[in-house]
Amino acid sequence: AQSVAQPEDQVNVAEGNPLTVKCTYSVSGNPYLFWYVQYPNRGLQFLLKYITGDNLVKGSYGFEAEFNKSQTSFHLKKPSALVSDSALYFCAVRDIGQGGATNKLIFGTGTLLAVQP
Amino acid sequence: GAVVSQHPSWVICKSGTSVKIECRSLDFQATTMFWYRQFPKQSLMLMATSNEGSKATYEQGVEKDKFLINHASLTLSTLTVTSAHPEDSSFYICSALRVDKPYTGELFFGEGSRLTVL
Repeated sequence: AQSVAQPEDQVNVAEGNPLTVKCTYSVSGNPYLFWYVQYPNRGLQFLLKYITGDNLVKGSYGFEAEFNKSQTSFHLKKPSALVSDSALYFCAVRDIGQGGATNKLIFGTGTLLAVQP
Repeated sequence: GAVVSQHPSWVICKSGTSVKIECRSLDFQATTMFWYRQFPKQSLMLMATSNEGSKATYEQGVEKDKFLINHASLTLSTLTVTSAHPEDSSFYICSALRVDKPYTGELFFGEGSRLTVL
């Protein structure tokens, strides 16, 4: 079964410092990987995705993620964190069933990013 | 573009009553919408897949008679929590899949609906 793991419940970083939010995946076949962000009491906003092509994917708000096939990772990064980046971040992978790829996304447990001023 | 609207954002109801939550795709058509439930400080739990013009597909463990889903048009899906109880209190989020673009897995989410059952 497809799955993603976010090993950190919370990541703390000082404003201006680089940040990394970790995600590892387990899929059969080529993965479709995503990052979403959720602000308090709000829905999820799409940040970026990897389907194919360059391993370094650039997304919204200055975020980027690196697809690493050998390490089965898709870590989210930003060179310089902002206080406004503080939110809950979810990694997700497209589900693959017995009949092939589905339209469902499987989400990780989420990582709370706290950026201190 | 790709805006999904959920209504209501907040709802408080008495135990035993039913509550309807609407999910609308405002500027695109969606044959498929998904309903999630999120508990505090937890991930999203997929409840069901809503398909326009057909019955919803429920995930294992989700009571279909408890959580009624209707997808009557290409822009609207509704989730009705029937005979609500305090344990149904949660944050419900919908997402929609665009039909006019090649599928790449990206979903568009509503803002969520906070249900509190007294």
